[in-house]
Amino acid sequence: EAGVAQSPRYKIIEKRQSVAFWCNPISGHATLYWYQQILGQGPKLLIQFQNNGVVDDSQLPKDRFSAERLKGVDSTLKIQPAKLEDSAVYLCASSPYNEQFFGPGTRLTVL
Amino acid sequence: GQQLNQSPQSMFIQEGEDVSMNCTSSSIFNTWLWYKQDPGEGPVLLIALYKAGELTSNGRLTAQFGITRKDSFLNISASIPSDVGIYFCAGQGAQKLVFGQGTRLTINP
Repeated sequence: EAGVAQSPRYKIIEKRQSVAFWCNPISGHATLYWYQQILGQGPKLLIQFQNNGVVDDSQLPKDRFSAERLKGVDSTLKIQPAKLEDSAVYLCASSPYNEQFFGPGTRLTVL
Repeated sequence: GQQLNQSPQSMFIQEGEDVSMNCTSSSIFNTWLWYKQDPGEGPVLLIALYKAGELTSNGRLTAQFGITRKDSFLNISASIPSDVGIYFCAGQGAQKLVFGQGTRLTINP
């Protein structure tokens, strides 16, 4: 069974630029999550989708971050404009019900 | 918000030694999970605990769900080089995971 796919794996941008990350969850998983993992810390939930609806986005900095899951499958996470403190690994996870399966993440460096 | 305190932050051990790490929370969780993360990869689930007091093993790994539902520990017996990595505890409530800060395990051969 294919795992959670994410792209790109690495991205380097300058502050104030925009960036987008893509996630393809495991087939059939209704729930999709985006996490931010700052170096030396555990992942922190940014947003949770159930099919194409948002369940929890309470920790998403909505002034600069946005995410969508239009057809209830793939998802994109966008940052516009990026700040230095956005440098982190962005992890996508999907879940059929309870257990979450994580992708390899996208490492973002903001210069 | 909910926070998990995981300790120790890092461990340096000899191959073959046993390892113990734990996690405490100010909040009650219905599920406790332990993950391992290798460099450049996402976390991978090692053990899931669903009931207070539950003790579960997965090979050389043993984890327990504390009676108060506010803590959990993970033991690794007879460590081997591939155990190197960062271990995270996570508490789960309503499909939402809250992660600890991680324990970085380094093994000297």
